[in-house]
Amino acid sequence: DAGVTQSPTHLIKTRGQQVTLRCSPKSGHDTVSWYQQALGQGPQFIFQYYEEEERQRGNFPDRFSGHQFPNYSSELNVNALLLGDSALYLCASSLGATQAQHFGDGTRLSIL
Amino acid sequence: QKEVEQNSGPLSVPEGAIASLNCTYSDRGSQSFFWYRQYSGKSPELIMFIYSNGDKEDGRFTAQLNKASQYVSLLIRDSQPSDSATYLCAVKGDNQGGKLIFGQGTELSVKP
Repeated sequence: DAGVTQSPTHLIKTRGQQVTLRCSPKSGHDTVSWYQQALGQGPQFIFQYYEEEERQRGNFPDRFSGHQFPNYSSELNVNALLLGDSALYLCASSLGATQAQHFGDGTRLSIL
Repeated sequence: QKEVEQNSGPLSVPEGAIASLNCTYSDRGSQSFFWYRQYSGKSPELIMFIYSNGDKEDGRFTAQLNKASQYVSLLIRDSQPSDSATYLCAVKGDNQGGKLIFGQGTELSVKP
């Protein structure tokens, strides 16, 4: 039973570039949430996708966008990267919005 | 006031002792409460969740919830060095969909 998988594991970009991160939910899960975790902090909610639509959004600028595909996998896109976007990006999946969320291993994004 | 607060620690306990981790939250409408364990450089791993006032036990772990006082705690009995990690408290409000609000985490160190 595959858990939540994320790719890539590490990524280095420069300011102003764009990045796409990918997530496949745990088998049987249909809801994907994305979080940003800065060093020494708890994860911060970016947004949640269910039935291919963004259902809820945290306090992140429009540079952060996402997508969910019919097979429930999801992408997080970040445009015009800033140094402050350097963080661990976590994908979590669940069965519906109210059930417990299980995290993938994350993508560590470094902006130079 | 932060929405979810935890002592950052580090909390140091000897092997075999009980470790007590505490969390307070500000939104009285919060309905679901989660504890995640995060090893250094890894992603959060769900340990327990609790919805109702009182205690919930799972092996060496006990979650305690007091909605009137707006706190939730995690007790780890017979602490082992392998329990050394950061413990994240997360809260979900009934009217907030799937958004998890995390505390900054408490670092636990179990000394042999």
